[in-house]
Amino acid sequence: GQSLEQPSEVTAVEGAIVQINCTYQTSGFYGLSWYQQHDGGAPTFLSYNALDGLEETGRFSSFLSRSDSYGYLLLQELQMKDSASYFCAGLDQAGTALIFGKGTTLSVSS
Amino acid sequence: DTAVSQTPKYLVTQMGNDKSIKCEQNLGHDTMYWYKQDSKKFLKIMFSYNNKELIINETVPNRFSPKSPDKAHLNLHINSLELGDSAVYFCASSQGRAGELFFGEGSRLTVL
Repeated sequence: GQSLEQPSEVTAVEGAIVQINCTYQTSGFYGLSWYQQHDGGAPTFLSYNALDGLEETGRFSSFLSRSDSYGYLLLQELQMKDSASYFCAGLDQAGTALIFGKGTTLSVSS
Repeated sequence: DTAVSQTPKYLVTQMGNDKSIKCEQNLGHDTMYWYKQDSKKFLKIMFSYNNKELIINETVPNRFSPKSPDKAHLNLHINSLELGDSAVYFCASSQGRAGELFFGEGSRLTVL
């Protein structure tokens, strides 16, 4: 089977650092992606880890450990606009479509 | 220019009706998808097309029928709408490995 688990909610304050974890059970797994979705909006791509290790893009970083079936999204210097839902997603066995986790709602307060 | 565009953005209809949602992408991508997002924000893959050919057809009622007239378009037709079909339907496209998807703005379907 293919499933991805992530926390349902995370809260933090402006300027803080938050880590959203994602664990998965899947076979034929190709990589882990992260998406951001604001209320009423479309999911937007943040990062994709095909290999183990850390990928950094500005204030956001993503990590993957395939041996541990685990990844995380790290958000630094949090801003109010970072309040959104964050989804991890893994490629299915054929590498043809993304299977999404249920999403983590991040609330950033001042 | 909108990369992935869907119409209509909002659709309110009665149970039993038939409706269609259209999607077009101008990114030159080979693969297009339909995802359904329910009220709990769960994004579920429905269909995947690569160069007009059906690649993935998840466990979706056969009331849902996708059609891809060319690789830039993927439409979704739904017959005999049910209350449980109420959701936001997202079209997306990708090139190569599907790690990066480009989503349309979504079509919110409400079945009364």
